[in-house]
Amino acid sequence: ETGVTQTPRHLVMGMTNKKSLKCEQHLGHNAMYWYKQSAKKPLELMFVYSLEERVENNSVPSRFSPECPNSSHLFLHLHTLQPEDSALYLCASSQDGAGYLETQYFGPGTRLLVL
Amino acid sequence: EDQVTQSPEALRLQEGESSSLNCSYTVSGLRGLFWYRQDPGKGPEFLFTLYSAGEEKEKERLKATLTKKESFLHITAPKPEDSATYLCAVHSRGGSNYKLTFGKGTLLTVNP
Repeated sequence: ETGVTQTPRHLVMGMTNKKSLKCEQHLGHNAMYWYKQSAKKPLELMFVYSLEERVENNSVPSRFSPECPNSSHLFLHLHTLQPEDSALYLCASSQDGAGYLETQYFGPGTRLLVL
Repeated sequence: EDQVTQSPEALRLQEGESSSLNCSYTVSGLRGLFWYRQDPGKGPEFLFTLYSAGEEKEKERLKATLTKKESFLHITAPKPEDSATYLCAVHSRGGSNYKLTFGKGTLLTVNP
């Protein structure tokens, strides 16, 4: 595997379900990101981890819970979601995350549908 | 608050018909401007980073330019495989060290 991978690629869940999204990066990067992409809206940054420590949390509802066990893996735990949470969830990584300008590399995304 | 506006929202070209996409921005001190390409059902793919006004970068049929207020992505003699959504994003001095502010994108369709 190369680059940034995400599983599952598609997910359908009910509002009472609990599920998790997984992201893995094979680039040796130290920073990882979760974005939400909704139709007709710009990408929205949700969370940022640098060296496994959360450094950004952009007013995301508590029904989204991130976890970063190591610098290669990132999870997004989902519970009691709403239909408006249906979107493409993208994971990205960058080299260092130490606070200077970096290129972010994206995974293919998980298409989530909440019924 | 940083703002990024991309135009047009959608653009249809014939194969070989050159054109430009626009990204205008309002930021508190630009650190860098990024261009990405996104194919349907996929994540954004990095194309270019521009750091200062007057800078230009090229890759195959694409050329990105930057001024103090906007960036252009010029597409020369496009092919159908250039069809995608092109995203612009900025990183500013006034914002988070990690945050990119994205535009909504331009959906480019190149007909054979």
